[in-house]
Amino acid sequence: GIQVEQSPPDLILQEGANSTLRCNFSDSVNNLQWFHQNPWGQLINLFYIPSGTKQNGRLSATTVATERYSLLYISSSQTTDSGVYFCAVVRAGTALIFGKGTTLSVSS
Amino acid sequence: GAGVSQSPRYKVAKRGQDVALRCDPISGHVSLFWYQQALGQGPEFLTYFQNEAQLDKSGLPSDRFFAERPEGSVSTLKIQRTQQEDSAVYLCASSLALRNEQYFGPGTRLTVT
Repeated sequence: GIQVEQSPPDLILQEGANSTLRCNFSDSVNNLQWFHQNPWGQLINLFYIPSGTKQNGRLSATTVATERYSLLYISSSQTTDSGVYFCAVVRAGTALIFGKGTTLSVSS
Repeated sequence: GAGVSQSPRYKVAKRGQDVALRCDPISGHVSLFWYQQALGQGPEFLTYFQNEAQLDKSGLPSDRFFAERPEGSVSTLKIQRTQQEDSAVYLCASSLALRNEQYFGPGTRLTVT
């Protein structure tokens, strides 16, 4: 089946720093989503981005489907950005296939 | 509007007990998914419904797991004769249609003692 790899696995930042999270996938996909799982376990939708670039406030994402990767940019990070960031893809089926996540810790 | 809701939020079961977990999807969402998330891992697919039809149950780990969505809205995931390895967070997600953006509920944390 399709493999989804996220890097880095862990990231520690000072408040105000910028960061880039990467998601590589091993085959073509029909759907790609980025989520933030907060410390209470809720998965929050960040982007639905099978291709192209989107921006939402301090966050932006780019998916280059032909090269099988997606990037999530976080600018001017805040302590509330802490948590786990997941990339998830859909290939031929219906279910999202998740990567192992990037754990982000932002300190003040 | 209201998001996906799940109940109970926490459930402690003794080994061997049966449990039932409920999911209320976003109103009008045709597709409903159940996922299982073990500690420190990403969610893993269990089963999928389109309206009341269960179209994919390939992720259910054993025949002790059963899901239903009889009227095409609320869904229940039932686990019979719970085992310790069933301890996990069970997440429900819904989408407007197949392969559209999925939205997740807060999950039910199941602990089997």
